[in-house]
Amino acid sequence: NAGVTQTPKFQVLKTGQSMTLQCAQDMNHEYMSWYRQDPGMGLRLIHYSVGAGITDQGEVPNGYNVSRSTTEDFPLRLLSAAPSQTSVYFCAVAGGAGDGELFFGEGSRLTVL
Amino acid sequence: DQQVKQNSPSLSVQEGRISILNCDYTNSMFDYFLWYKKYPAEGPTFLISISSIKDKNEDGRFTVFLNKSAKHLSLHIVPSQPGDSAVYFCAATDGNNNDMRFGAGTRLTVKP
Repeated sequence: NAGVTQTPKFQVLKTGQSMTLQCAQDMNHEYMSWYRQDPGMGLRLIHYSVGAGITDQGEVPNGYNVSRSTTEDFPLRLLSAAPSQTSVYFCAVAGGAGDGELFFGEGSRLTVL
Repeated sequence: DQQVKQNSPSLSVQEGRISILNCDYTNSMFDYFLWYKKYPAEGPTFLISISSIKDKNEDGRFTVFLNKSAKHLSLHIVPSQPGDSAVYFCAATDGNNNDMRFGAGTRLTVKP
């Protein structure tokens, strides 16, 4: 049982390049989200989805796009990477207990040169 | 604006002693609070939570205390073990996963 799987684990980009961070879940949960973790800032919500076909912005959405065509997948796209997007990115899935608990992937470390 | 604050970046305690991690929040609409634990190169994992209708929740060695009037919560770990060494994040939500806010984290080191 993989839970929440993120790929790639590491990526180096040049400024202006584009890429997609993949997130897949086998927990059959409707809620999926993307966070970024930066030193001294904790985790900040980028985008989230409450189900297939529905996405919305979080606290820091600029520079990122998302789509949700299936329950299982929630990719995060960087259309034109900037050094400020150097961070560790976590995908999270809401638990079914209704208590706000999130299940996180292992993270994707992105460096933009 | 950081609505959830963990003012201590790090904490070091001796094995067997108590670890107390603190968290403050500013948004009075928050009604559910959680603690997550994170080891290096792994994602955060849920540890314990508390609803705003309670002032204490206990799970084994872990107890979370909530003081709503002070907008403050704390995580107590007794007794502390070396395996507890990790970064601990405090989080708060208004009951809606769409707006879960995290603190900056406290790195706990438990020395043998």
